[in-house]
Amino acid sequence: KAGVTQTPRYLIKTRGQQVTLSCSPISGHRSVSWYQQTPGQGLQFLFEYFSETQRNKGNFPGRFSGRQFSNSRSEMNVSTLELGDSALYLCASSLVPGVNEQFFGPGTRLTVL
Amino acid sequence: DAKTTQPNSMESNEEEPVHLPCNHSTISGTDYIHWYRQLPSQGPEYVIHGLTSNVNNRMASLAIAEDRKSSTLILHRATLRDAAVYYCILRDPLIRGGSQGNLIFGKGTKLSVKP
Repeated sequence: KAGVTQTPRYLIKTRGQQVTLSCSPISGHRSVSWYQQTPGQGLQFLFEYFSETQRNKGNFPGRFSGRQFSNSRSEMNVSTLELGDSALYLCASSLVPGVNEQFFGPGTRLTVL
Repeated sequence: DAKTTQPNSMESNEEEPVHLPCNHSTISGTDYIHWYRQLPSQGPEYVIHGLTSNVNNRMASLAIAEDRKSSTLILHRATLRDAAVYYCILRDPLIRGGSQGNLIFGKGTKLSVKP
């Protein structure tokens, strides 16, 4: 069974631009969560989607948004990029929220110049 | 959210057992104790979880104190591949504001394994 895949793996953008990251969960998994990892703040929860609905959102500004499609694939978008948005963005999938372990993808490394 | 306390770093020798401690004195009755680890340049991976009883799987063992205020992740024979940051996380699967879908990561314990 294929694992969680994230595209692209690496991305370089400049301040003010916007970016869209993609996540394909493990087949059959309906819950997708997004996390941001930086050296200073560590791993922080961004948001979680289940059955195309955002169930929970972390403490991030409105520039960070996401969505989930009917096939459970998810995208997250960051608008008006700032230097501080440079981070590793991780996607995790699970069968359903809360009960099962989460399986993480390799992440997308975003660099904002 | 209930918090956990872990040592910043630990060292181990290859092929020796490793005991990674975690304190969670404010754990609630419905919190599960989860362990994840993150190898260099990879996303976190699930290791093990438990509620009250000790748990074993192919990767590790989880020993939970009787009062549940602390737990220990046990790697029976450390290998170089076990060098990673280990995170101890409390997770309540009951519906409580819908927050059970997210993991709250602390700083974790960075485990170094010497050959």
